[in-house]
Amino acid sequence: AQSVTQPDIHITVSEGASLELRCNYSYGATPYLFWYVQSPGQGLQLLLKYFSGDTLVQGIKGFEAEFKRSQSSFNLRKPSVHWSDAAEYFCAVGAQGGKLIFGQGTELSVKP
Amino acid sequence: NAGVTQTPKFRVLKTGQSMTLLCAQDMNHEYMYWYRQDPGMGLRLIHYSVGEGTTAKGEVPDGYNVSRLKKQNFLLGLESAAPSQTSVYFCASSWGLAGVRAGELFFGEGSRLTVL
Repeated sequence: AQSVTQPDIHITVSEGASLELRCNYSYGATPYLFWYVQSPGQGLQLLLKYFSGDTLVQGIKGFEAEFKRSQSSFNLRKPSVHWSDAAEYFCAVGAQGGKLIFGQGTELSVKP
Repeated sequence: NAGVTQTPKFRVLKTGQSMTLLCAQDMNHEYMYWYRQDPGMGLRLIHYSVGEGTTAKGEVPDGYNVSRLKKQNFLLGLESAAPSQTSVYFCASSWGLAGVRAGELFFGEGSRLTVL
């Protein structure tokens, strides 16, 4: 069965520091992978996605993610975090039938 | 631009009561989904639909029923509410996993349900 694991429940970084959020997936075929962000009290917004081709994908708000098939990973990165990036981040895999399976989420706090 | 609208936004139920959550989308999406969000559990898929008149079970379907009689609406029903169903429920819609905007889910603002 398809599954997604986000090993870090909560991460705190200083404003201006770099960020990497981890995501590991389990899927038999070439996966469709996504990162979503949820601000407090809101629904989720798509940051970026990987379907095929270049394994480094760019998204909105300065985020990027790299697909590594050998490690079954799709980690999210940002070179310099802003206070407004504080939110919860979800990795997801597109599964059979058109559904998306989400990970448990990583809450990001940003220190001034 | 309404996007995805969920009603009601808040509801308190007693154990055993029934209720229906309504989701409406105005983007002509084929796919619609109901997720529940609980602390530390992420979003878990309850049921989804790939088109009008179709529904399918997700990861946690027990205790819920759904209907998609019209393309723009997706209803989530609780026949006999239990405290374990206390959660925030999110509806989402999409074009599915094909095309330029494949996999992009559009979410409603959520419905907070408390079962006493």
